[in-house]
Amino acid sequence: AQRVTQPEKLLSVFKGAPVELKCNYSYSGSPELFWYVQYSRQRLQLLLRHISRESIKGFTADLNKGETSFHLKKPFAQEEDSAMYYCALSGNTGRRALTFGSGTRLQVQP
Amino acid sequence: EAGVAQSPRYKIIEKRQSVAFWCNPISGHATLYWYQQILGQGPKLLIQFQNNGVVDDSQLPKDRFSAERLKGVDSTLKIQPAKLEDSAVYLCASSRDRGETQYFGPGTRLLVL
Repeated sequence: AQRVTQPEKLLSVFKGAPVELKCNYSYSGSPELFWYVQYSRQRLQLLLRHISRESIKGFTADLNKGETSFHLKKPFAQEEDSAMYYCALSGNTGRRALTFGSGTRLQVQP
Repeated sequence: EAGVAQSPRYKIIEKRQSVAFWCNPISGHATLYWYQQILGQGPKLLIQFQNNGVVDDSQLPKDRFSAERLKGVDSTLKIQPAKLEDSAVYLCASSRDRGETQYFGPGTRLLVL
């Protein structure tokens, strides 16, 4: 069975501080990992996926297969980063539906 | 391009009543998903369509939930009869194909009293 764990429900940091949102997964195969974000009163949207290896809005995430982790990082948090962040995975074959974690709320204080 | 549309946005019903949700995906998107998001949890897939065929409905409570995607475009999700534990946000998403980026609608917030 596939599972995504986000251990922190809430992460509160000050503006300019580094941010790391944790994500661990279990999957018997080669997964694809994603981070989705939901800003206040907006739709859930894709932030980044590991295969594209991009930096979006200053965020990066590296897939660590040894530790089965896909932590989201940003060196300097901004107030506009405050949102709900969900880690998700899918298989790289077959139906490829997403399995989501329970989410972490990031609060960036001024 | 227009995003995924859902209606209604909010619905309040009493237990044992029935309710239906509608989703219009992004034009040309072959894959459509319905997710259930209970408060404090991440979205959970209920059913996935590829065009008008069901790819996965393993987590759909088929004794009370049903869904269809006629002509491979719009989709409806129905609950009959509703239970208190069905209170949640129901999200529709679509993608060009399986494995492509999923685009989410605004969701329908259901409260069962």
